[in-house]
Amino acid sequence: QQQVKQSPQSLIVQKGGIPIINCAYENTAFDYFPWYQQFPGKGPALLIAIRPDVSEKKEGRFTISFNKSAKQFSLHIMDSQPGDSATYFCAASTYGGSQGNLIFGKGTKLSVKP
Amino acid sequence: EAQVTQNPRYLITVTGKKLTVTCSQNMNHEYMSWYRQDPGLGLRQIYYSMNVEVTDKGDVPEGYKVSRKEKRNFPLILESPSPNQTSLYFCASTLRGRGPYEQYFGPGTRLTVT
Repeated sequence: QQQVKQSPQSLIVQKGGIPIINCAYENTAFDYFPWYQQFPGKGPALLIAIRPDVSEKKEGRFTISFNKSAKQFSLHIMDSQPGDSATYFCAASTYGGSQGNLIFGKGTKLSVKP
Repeated sequence: EAQVTQNPRYLITVTGKKLTVTCSQNMNHEYMSWYRQDPGLGLRQIYYSMNVEVTDKGDVPEGYKVSRKEKRNFPLILESPSPNQTSLYFCASTLRGRGPYEQYFGPGTRLTVT
C-alpha cells in the first residue's frame, strides 16, 4: 500500500514531442505528490508538485495531471528539448510532506532526441 | 549557498572494512535522510532523522547505521560492508512543520564494495 508505481521505465521522444510519465498509488492517505528530476551525476531536484485538491498544475512546460478517483497522476512535458533528458521520479507523501517521508517511484529515464 | 554536501563522492573499498559517508547541510533543516539508488529500483530510504538524537529505520536499513549528534550532520556508517551494498547513495534534508517543503538532495556518493 505504500508503493508508488511508475511507468514507463524508459522513454525516447523527438524534440518537440510531449513525453508523458504515469504514476499510480494505493494509499489514500497520500496528500502530496512531487516530481523530481535527476541529471546524470547529480542528486534529484524538485521539479513540480501537486496536492490532491487540484486536478492540474502547470509550471512552464511541465504539467502534472491528477486523478484522485483513479489514484493516478502524470507528468507531461510540452515542447520537450534535449536538455530535458534526465531521469524523472514521481513521489508521494503523507501529512503534506511535513514529515519528510517521501515514497518514490522507480524512475523513468527520458531521452529527447534532437 | 544552500546545499547538502556529501563526502567522499566516490569510494572503492573491500568487504568488511568499516567506512563512513558524511553528510552536512547548511539550511538548518530538522529532517535528514539517506537513500540508496539502484538501477530499476529507484530511490529507497535507508534511515531518516526527524531531529538531533532522533533516528529511525527506512525501508532498507540492514547493514547500515546512522547517528545525529548535530543538526547539520548525518553520517552513514557501514560497519562491515558487503558487495550488495555497492550502490549510489544520496543524503537529503528538508524542513519539518506545516509543509510541503522541498527535499534537498546531496550530489551522491558512489560506493563500490569488492
